[in-house]
Amino acid sequence: KQEVTQIPAALSVPEGENLVLNCSFTDSAIYNLQWFRQDPGKGLTSLLLIQSSQREQTSGRLNASLDKSSGRSTLYIAASQPGDSATYLCAFSGTYKYIFGTGTRLKVLA
Amino acid sequence: NAGVTQTPKFQVLKTGQSMTLQCAQDMNHEYMSWYRQDPGMGLRLIHYSVGAGITDQGEVPNGYNVSRSTTEDFPLRLLSAAPSQTSVYFCASSRTGTGQPQHFGDGTRLSIL
Repeated sequence: KQEVTQIPAALSVPEGENLVLNCSFTDSAIYNLQWFRQDPGKGLTSLLLIQSSQREQTSGRLNASLDKSSGRSTLYIAASQPGDSATYLCAFSGTYKYIFGTGTRLKVLA
Repeated sequence: NAGVTQTPKFQVLKTGQSMTLQCAQDMNHEYMSWYRQDPGMGLRLIHYSVGAGITDQGEVPNGYNVSRSTTEDFPLRLLSAAPSQTSVYFCASSRTGTGQPQHFGDGTRLSIL
């Protein structure tokens, strides 16, 4: 059974820092990886989607990578801002089902 | 654009009552799904649908029913609510499945007394 782990569970950094969020999974037979952002009391917003045949995706200050051989994905946030404060979740998918991690709660201090 | 709309936003039920959580999307997406989010457990898939008339079970389907009569709507039914079903429920959709970005509604916060 696929298990997804996100470390750390919470992170607090000063504004301007570059940071890395980690996501690990147990089953390398995945189709896709998606990173999401969740603000308090809100639904999830898709940030980046990496297809199984890809190794990374970039959007603005965000870069996500996927290493199936090691069972890991990382989300890199450059020059963090207070507006980046949120919970970040990763999710791995088979054909039609996503398995979510429990998230990393990020706080960027002004 | 409305995106994915969930109603109601909040609901309190008594044990044994039934109710339907509504989910509608206006993006002509074929794939729709329901999740529940509980503290410390992340999101867990309840049911999903790959198109009108086609549904399947996710990780935690017990106690929930779904149907998909139109592309736009994917309601989730609780037939006899139990306190263990207290949770935040999210509906999501995407164009064809997990290979496309998932769009989420804002959730329904459900309490079962």
